[in-house]
Amino acid sequence: DAKTTQPTSMDCAEGRAANLPCNHSTISGNEYVYWYRQIHSQGPQYIIHGLKNNETNEMASLIITEDRKSSTLILPHATLRDTAVYYCIAFIKAAGNKLTFGGGTRVLVKP
Amino acid sequence: KAGVTQTPRYLIKTRGQQVTLSCSPISGHRSVSWYQQTPGQGLQFLFEYFSETQRNKGNFPGRFSGRQFSNSRSEMNVSTLELGDSALYLCASSSRADTQYFGPGTRLTVL
Repeated sequence: DAKTTQPTSMDCAEGRAANLPCNHSTISGNEYVYWYRQIHSQGPQYIIHGLKNNETNEMASLIITEDRKSSTLILPHATLRDTAVYYCIAFIKAAGNKLTFGGGTRVLVKP
Repeated sequence: KAGVTQTPRYLIKTRGQQVTLSCSPISGHRSVSWYQQTPGQGLQFLFEYFSETQRNKGNFPGRFSGRQFSNSRSEMNVSTLELGDSALYLCASSSRADTQYFGPGTRLTVL
């Protein structure tokens, strides 16, 4: 799986959009960009994933650049409950494949 | 649909004991993966089961074992516990080669 690079931490104001960048310059054509988040000591929560096109669901939007070398996760209206560590992963959907989390971005939503 | 459930949520054991953790996947999911998460090593893959067969295995000693039942429920066992086995043990289920959804985890403390 391609290596991803994320900022170590970022702050966000409650009610504002949070834009989380992720660099995956060596991503291969069959690797999806996945985002998970983990609130302290809980199991990771799946947020969203995409291959080439931008994606949106009830939690977030995922913007992938045309060359697929980077992406941005957007939380449209951050709440205090969005405070968590966010992980960006490049992942091949193959049988038995394992997830590998890097350091992630520690997001602190402030009132 | 109910999410992935793990029991017990918390466990305290002493060195040398053994422990069995249980995971019930999302209904219809036949793949179950187990991960160990520690502050120092991050998320590490233990093994993955599909249709009662171990399909992939991480780099852990033989003290760590698992199995999957015909209803897709899975258990993992750790024998001869060591202090270093203290961790959050996570189970994730998926439908074939697709998105993995995590359970809340079992927090194991070895004294």
